[in-house]
Amino acid sequence: GAVVSQHPSWVICKSGTSVKIECRSLDFQATTMFWYRQFPKQSLMLMATSNEGSKATYEQGVEKDKFLINHASLTLSTLTVTSAHPEDSSFYICSARDQRAIYGYTFGSGTRLTVV
Amino acid sequence: KQEVTQIPAALSVPEGENLVLNCSFTDSAIYNLQWFRQDPGKGLTSLLLIQSSQREQTSGRLNASLDKSSGRSTLYIAASQPGDSATYLCAVSVTGNQFYFGTGTSLTVIP
Repeated sequence: GAVVSQHPSWVICKSGTSVKIECRSLDFQATTMFWYRQFPKQSLMLMATSNEGSKATYEQGVEKDKFLINHASLTLSTLTVTSAHPEDSSFYICSARDQRAIYGYTFGSGTRLTVV
Repeated sequence: KQEVTQIPAALSVPEGENLVLNCSFTDSAIYNLQWFRQDPGKGLTSLLLIQSSQREQTSGRLNASLDKSSGRSTLYIAASQPGDSATYLCAVSVTGNQFYFGTGTSLTVIP
């Protein structure tokens, strides 16, 4: 089945630094990928939709200059948290649609970001 | 805006028991509804997906039903096992892409 690889699984960074999270579709091409985040005891919330070769679409309340998304190829989307602060600490997870399937969405394993 | 609620937030049952997890959503104009399993510190595993035109889906010991008009879905787990312990998430898609997630039900199956 379709596999989405997400790295790193966890990262700890200092406040003010930037962190890059990668999401790769291993055996299929994904023209669209989705980035979600989950704060403790809250539900997963869509942050942005990443489109290959074009600008990402951000959900209301998500700062596009802080959460940089790049989808330069059909198999890779990256999320960069710039100038991270402790309130950015969260669980980030990506999702991609396998075009071969009628409704096949595959999620990555997620990234636990802790900003100290 | 679609809002998804899951009840109960946590559930603890002895092994072998049948159980039902509930999900409700505010806007009945959905494209599909999906149930996921999330293990601690890990990603999501898709369990069942129900298209808006369907009433239920079954996979092994799992059965999910959908009542779109009332904005409800249930996930039925038969003969629960300790390995079923996880957080179960209900997610609704309006356009076929973006998912709106519930806060999940944390299930513990006691051996």
